[in-house]
Amino acid sequence: DTAVSQTPKYLVTQMGNDKSIKCEQNLGHDTMYWYKQDSKKFLKIMFSYNNKELIINETVPNRFSPKSPDKAHLNLHINSLELGDSAVYFCASSFRGVTNYGYTFGSGTRLTVV
Amino acid sequence: AQKVTQAQTEISVVEKEDVTLDCVYETRDTTYYLFWYKQPPSGELVFLIRRNSFDEQNEISGRYSWNFQKSTSSFNFTITASQVVDSAVYFCALLNGSGNTGKLIFGQGTTLQVKP
Repeated sequence: DTAVSQTPKYLVTQMGNDKSIKCEQNLGHDTMYWYKQDSKKFLKIMFSYNNKELIINETVPNRFSPKSPDKAHLNLHINSLELGDSAVYFCASSFRGVTNYGYTFGSGTRLTVV
Repeated sequence: AQKVTQAQTEISVVEKEDVTLDCVYETRDTTYYLFWYKQPPSGELVFLIRRNSFDEQNEISGRYSWNFQKSTSSFNFTITASQVVDSAVYFCALLNGSGNTGKLIFGQGTTLQVKP
């Protein structure tokens, strides 16, 4: 069973379109995250939700809107896609405060805007 | 400021050589966690190790070992007898204990190429 699963794995779309990436975790974690990896491989957090509450909202264009219907799901919706949004987006989950538990990433969604 | 620096952008070694990947971090917190992740060419992020700030014991797992030194704010990673399958991008990351946000701060990554 996949612990953190993201769909789709690849997404190619035209500029100006709206798209969503879905993420689900079956680890029982209470916190979920979205990270962006740019073309230089740099990884940076975008958002974090704890029990459906937004706790991290980094400086991200408001075209990006996360939604967490429950603590096992965190989706990312992107409006009016731009070329610069091309990147790999990783979902992750953990228990808030970490301690002895893992911080697990999904396999990533490669978004290409053309 | 919270920051992770991996000064080595790329390292190339020949199979069976030992290689050390450097990681230096900055934080004002007394409680924090340090991580290493591996990103193979397939793209996923593979968890390797987590260390908390109160545990300075070095760790060995097979061919992998980690040297955590608070005095120099470093958490270096050594691969002994490297193999071609070790070729990947390796990331060091910091998670601060205060604020409890769970935000991971990543270094820039070190690309390791192991040649046969």
